[in-house]
Amino acid sequence: QSVLTQPPSVSAAPGQKVTISCSGSSSNIGNNYVSWYQQLPGTAPRLLIYDNDKRPSEIADRFSGSKSGTSATLGITGLQTGDEADYYCGTWDSTLSAVVFGGGTKLTVL
Amino acid sequence: QLQLQESGPGLVKPSETLSLTCTVSGGSISTSLYYWGWIRQPPGKGLEWIGSSHYTRFTFHDPSLKGRVTISLDTSKNQFPLKLSSVTAADTAVYYCARQVKGTLYFDYWGKGILVTVSS
Repeated sequence: QSVLTQPPSVSAAPGQKVTISCSGSSSNIGNNYVSWYQQLPGTAPRLLIYDNDKRPSEIADRFSGSKSGTSATLGITGLQTGDEADYYCGTWDSTLSAVVFGGGTKLTVL
Repeated sequence: QLQLQESGPGLVKPSETLSLTCTVSGGSISTSLYYWGWIRQPPGKGLEWIGSSHYTRFTFHDPSLKGRVTISLDTSKNQFPLKLSSVTAADTAVYYCARQVKGTLYFDYWGKGILVTVSS
């Protein structure tokens, strides 16, 4: 059971928009920065979003992040088949004194 | 471009110590701006943080691993080894090393990962 809760799967058609939620508590998301990672099949995770809503320069602006209270959201617009991957949220948990990740969400582009 | 590469045995016997090394190229680990961390992923499961270390020797790790973890920095070789003692089948996973930004603690560069199987 992960400390951060993500939906196991989401799906949408090419060109559409999808959002992935990450729910936590005041000991983690509520008082710490959230990051998001994309893991394509058979590869290592890649940083997509850091500090809640910032994108590394090499990440397309189709990817966006936001945070409100104890939840965070990853948004992906203009879906492409190449976006099919597992997506993970992560943050620091001040009570556990540990970096925690969500259980991951598998995105299918139909 | 910063690159990280994990190395070590792919098979470890139960109760023994898992030893991996992460070699960093394209940048120095002797920097105050970053931690150097290990994350693992059991087959078919999600990401699990193991621990992180700073060149000042400050180290922090997942308390649930109950003191089995040792992470150190070898600045002369630009490497940071991981040791995980008393392993069981539950420690079977792909192990990743990564650079972790100090402050907000996200991981910005990752190695490709190495599969370690615990089995007799």
